[in-house]
Amino acid sequence: GNSVTQMEGPVTLSEEAFLTINCTYTATGYPSLFWYVQYPGEGLQLLLKATKADDKGSNKGFEATYRKETTSFHLEKGSVQVSDSAVYFCALSFGNEKLTFGTGTRLTIIP
Amino acid sequence: DTGVSQDPRHKITKRGQNVTFRCDPISEHNRLYWYRQTLGQGPEFLTYFQNEAQLEKSRLLSDRFSAERPKGSFSTLEIQRTEQGDSAMYLCASSGRTSGGRVLETQYFGPGTRLLVL
Repeated sequence: GNSVTQMEGPVTLSEEAFLTINCTYTATGYPSLFWYVQYPGEGLQLLLKATKADDKGSNKGFEATYRKETTSFHLEKGSVQVSDSAVYFCALSFGNEKLTFGTGTRLTIIP
Repeated sequence: DTGVSQDPRHKITKRGQNVTFRCDPISEHNRLYWYRQTLGQGPEFLTYFQNEAQLEKSRLLSDRFSAERPKGSFSTLEIQRTEQGDSAMYLCASSGRTSGGRVLETQYFGPGTRLLVL
């Protein structure tokens, strides 16, 4: 079956540090890939997505590139802020079928 | 657009009782999904509807769980004879199509219903 493997957390960084959260997937075919974010006390929100190989999704300074050859969709940000503290989930789907999520990575940014 | 809403937000029940949760999707969305999230884990798919038709059910969805979407709008998820292992956050999401019929893949999530079974 399809699966998503995420870098285990928690991750703690200082403000303005560079962020990478690794995500790899296993799937038959070429799914769409997503990063969702869950801020404290809030629901899941879509952060960014990519629907085909070599696409780059970006939002709020975050970026991720769909790499078919390495089946990866790593999340990056050049300079994190305290407000980026949240849990980040990598996910995949085919069309608008069900989402398959990773286990999530808790990110804490220290001022 | 008021987003996806869920009711109740919290539910505490005793083992063996039945509970029912409601989800109201974004009004023009034809697909509605239910997920379950336990502490420290990602959401796990339970079931989804296209309009009023239930198209897929996960093996996680035991016969104590039933979901309906009778008129293709809101949905209910019922758990009968609750067990302590049912304690989790139950998430609802919806997705739709453009007026031209193109599928929109993004799923929009509600705030969830947190269930605690004592």
